[in-house]
Amino acid sequence: DSGVTQTPKHLITATGQRVTLRCSPRSGDLSVYWYQQSLDQGLQFLIQYYNGEERAKGNILERFSAQQFPDLHSELNLSSLVLGDYAFYFCASWGGLAGGGEQYFGPGTRLTVT
Amino acid sequence: AQSVTQLGSHVSVSEGALVLLRCNYSSSVPPYLFWYVQYPNQGLQLLLKYTTGATLVKGINGFEAEFKKSETSFHLTKPSAHMSDAAEYFCAVSSLYSGAGSYQLTFGKGTKLSVIP
Repeated sequence: DSGVTQTPKHLITATGQRVTLRCSPRSGDLSVYWYQQSLDQGLQFLIQYYNGEERAKGNILERFSAQQFPDLHSELNLSSLVLGDYAFYFCASWGGLAGGGEQYFGPGTRLTVT
Repeated sequence: AQSVTQLGSHVSVSEGALVLLRCNYSSSVPPYLFWYVQYPNQGLQLLLKYTTGATLVKGINGFEAEFKKSETSFHLTKPSAHMSDAAEYFCAVSSLYSGAGSYQLTFGKGTKLSVIP
């Protein structure tokens, strides 16, 4: 158990819909990362938040947005869903370089778009 | 910019045989290097990491990796493969972007390891 929690575990929705994925980082970790993992694109970094502020953006579509709340949990919002958004979405938290530099991954949310 | 190349998207070994998964990186600064393992329908789990110090690092489940600066490599090995080692393995290198005050991991595309009984 990494200490990172994600809900829901599975999400099935239809094209055109909007969904929200939730992540809680490890206790004490200020930084949250979102990744998308699909069969054709592999593991792709989407966005990073640190203590409520956006710090870095990767290959995140304009239809996707995220935020980190004062209690440090984060939400990833996916809108106008298309079939190609079918993927696993992982959240990871980071405890800083003093902690060793690794990111700790949650169990992921599997998104199915029908 | 940093990058990671994992040679071989699929590797098959016999049970009991040596496991060797290759990883080469590029980095303009001293890197932190990581190997993660992912079992089906699960998140990534840290196997081992190199930050500073000893270049041969040992991880969980009997895996180890050696940092070779001259070869910019960080290959993962295990002397004897077990059926439970079948999974996907990701090599990653860290990047600290001073401008954004951000910390990133750059992942390779992954290597799927199959273990043949």
